[in-house]
Amino acid sequence: DVKVTQSSRYLVKRTGEKVFLECVQDMDHENMFWYRQDPGLGLRLIYFSYDVKMKEKGDIPEGYSVSREKKERFSLILESASTNQTSMYLCASSSRLARGGGVQFFGPGTRLTVL
Amino acid sequence: AQSVTQLGSHVSVSEGALVLLRCNYSSSVPPYLFWYVQYPNQGLQLLLKYTSAATLVKGINGFEAEFKKSETSFHLTKPSAHMSDAAEYFCAVSPYSGGYQKVTFGIGTKLQVIP
Repeated sequence: DVKVTQSSRYLVKRTGEKVFLECVQDMDHENMFWYRQDPGLGLRLIYFSYDVKMKEKGDIPEGYSVSREKKERFSLILESASTNQTSMYLCASSSRLARGGGVQFFGPGTRLTVL
Repeated sequence: AQSVTQLGSHVSVSEGALVLLRCNYSSSVPPYLFWYVQYPNQGLQLLLKYTSAATLVKGINGFEAEFKKSETSFHLTKPSAHMSDAAEYFCAVSPYSGGYQKVTFGIGTKLQVIP
């Protein structure tokens, strides 16, 4: 069974802390994504990566950075957490070979609360 | 540019009644279209996708969607709602072309099934 796993289901951090969210996929996918999900706003793309060490900004990259040192792992970093980054964070992956219609496989999400 | 509009952020149906979740899209090129479902405390999973092979697409759990180019719609239906269908449903669009193409998600529709 294909799988995308995220390091934590729930996380509580304080304002100003550096936060790491980790995502691992076991499908040998080239593409990996980080989204945040907020009520009434749907999913918004933060960053994506189409290869190791490659990254592209999504729609809302401000306040975030990412790291992809290995093909299976994609990390989202909040350099200095703020309360407006309280949200559900979803990681996803897809195969490059699937072209534009590639199905994305999602992890279970990390609900981050910044106090 | 592409966009997705889901009409109705909340929909309630009685158990056994028809489910109809509406999605209209905008795309400058022929699109791939998707419906994803998110059960409580889980990530998104693919329900079905349209890739131009057939306008009526059948998905998992008895759901289907019809692509109507003239109406730029891709509404999701199920003849008879089951309690287990209670979830949030997301329509998504991406351009029909090679390489990585950004997927744009709608804001989601929460389906409530009343016993």
